[in-house]
Amino acid sequence: AQSVAQPEDQVNVAEGNPLTVKCTYSVSGNPYLFWYVQYPNRGLQFLLKYITGDNLVKGSYGFEAEFNKSQTSFHLKKPSALVSDSALYFCAVSSRISNDYKLSFGAGTTVTVRA
Amino acid sequence: DVKVTQSSRYLVKRTGEKVFLECVQDMDHENMFWYRQDPGLGLRLIYFSYDVKMKEKGDIPEGYSVSREKKERFSLILESASTNQTSMYLCASSLLGLAGSTGELFFGEGSRLTVL
Repeated sequence: AQSVAQPEDQVNVAEGNPLTVKCTYSVSGNPYLFWYVQYPNRGLQFLLKYITGDNLVKGSYGFEAEFNKSQTSFHLKKPSALVSDSALYFCAVSSRISNDYKLSFGAGTTVTVRA
Repeated sequence: DVKVTQSSRYLVKRTGEKVFLECVQDMDHENMFWYRQDPGLGLRLIYFSYDVKMKEKGDIPEGYSVSREKKERFSLILESASTNQTSMYLCASSLLGLAGSTGELFFGEGSRLTVL
């Protein structure tokens, strides 16, 4: 079975400060890892993914994430947060050895960036 | 642009009613999924489909069924709606999981269902 943990329900930062949203995963074999963002009353939008190769992945809106195999983590980061980054963030994982490519999602982390 | 369209953004139904949630994608994707989203629980997979007329149960299929008669359309059916099915329902699609496909999901805007 595969699963994702997002240990923080909420993250609050001031605009201009670094933003980190934590994610750890459990999966059989090597993972595919994803981050999605959801704005109020909207669907999920893809931010970035790790498939293979460089552990540091860059994505949309200035976000990046670092894959750490030994710690089974995939934390989302942004060097300088904006008020417009306030949203709900989901981490997701699927297993490369699975043929169905089902994604398992974390419970989500609400990010609030104050002006 | 990639597009997944859910026919109803907001629905209010009564207990015991039959509910249809429709989803259409224009990307010629093989895979389609229905998730429900609840606060603190994240997204939970209800059903998915790899091809026309085929379906697989996800993690929480009880009380739901699905239909996929055409590649672009995937319907979620609540045979007899109950109050505990009040939720946000999200449809998604992806390419078949062959080499080169990484399972990235494309989501619709969601259908918020309230069962009274």
